[in-house]
Amino acid sequence: AQKVTQAQTEISVVEKEDVTLDCVYETRDTTYYLFWYKQPPSGELVFLIRRNSFDEQNEISGRYSWNFQKSTSSFNFTITASQVVDSAVYFCALRPIIQGAQKLVFGQGTRLTINP
Amino acid sequence: DVKVTQSSRYLVKRTGEKVFLECVQDMDHENMFWYRQDPGLGLRLIYFSYDVKMKEKGDIPEGYSVSREKKERFSLILESASTNQTSMYLCASSLWLQDQGEQFFGPGTRLTVL
Repeated sequence: AQKVTQAQTEISVVEKEDVTLDCVYETRDTTYYLFWYKQPPSGELVFLIRRNSFDEQNEISGRYSWNFQKSTSSFNFTITASQVVDSAVYFCALRPIIQGAQKLVFGQGTRLTINP
Repeated sequence: DVKVTQSSRYLVKRTGEKVFLECVQDMDHENMFWYRQDPGLGLRLIYFSYDVKMKEKGDIPEGYSVSREKKERFSLILESASTNQTSMYLCASSLWLQDQGEQFFGPGTRLTVL
């Protein structure tokens, strides 16, 4: 069985602070993808990143960075110098690397509020 | 750009009514999905389809059915709406052959059943 856990239900920080969103997963698959999605108040989920289980190299994209650690089954997301526009619900998700109709398993989501 | 549209952003229905939620994608994707989103539970898969007229149950199919008569359109049907089906419903699509597995989502329909 696959499971994704985002233990932080809500986080609230002041603008310009750094914030880390935690994601822990469980899977028996040896190869899999991990994702982060952002859901702004408009409701539409926006794809942020995909990481496959072969590649544990951390990734940085502007103010966003991701730390994938297979040894601890974690895929954490850090926003540096947060801005009000970062306020959203963030979801971590998992799926095995197989062709076809790919079922994503989502975590519960973390609601991030950035206060001015 | 991939575009996934849903017929309504907000919908209010009464208990026992038959409800249709429509989803259309314009990128010729084979796979389409229906999720519901509830606070503290994340997104849960209701049904998905990998081809016209094909459908597969997800994790919570009870009380729902689906229809896929055309490749671009995937409908979610609540045969007899109940108050516990009040939720946000999200549609998504993806390519069959895309090994990266990214799904593209619509804006969601917030359904309230009174």
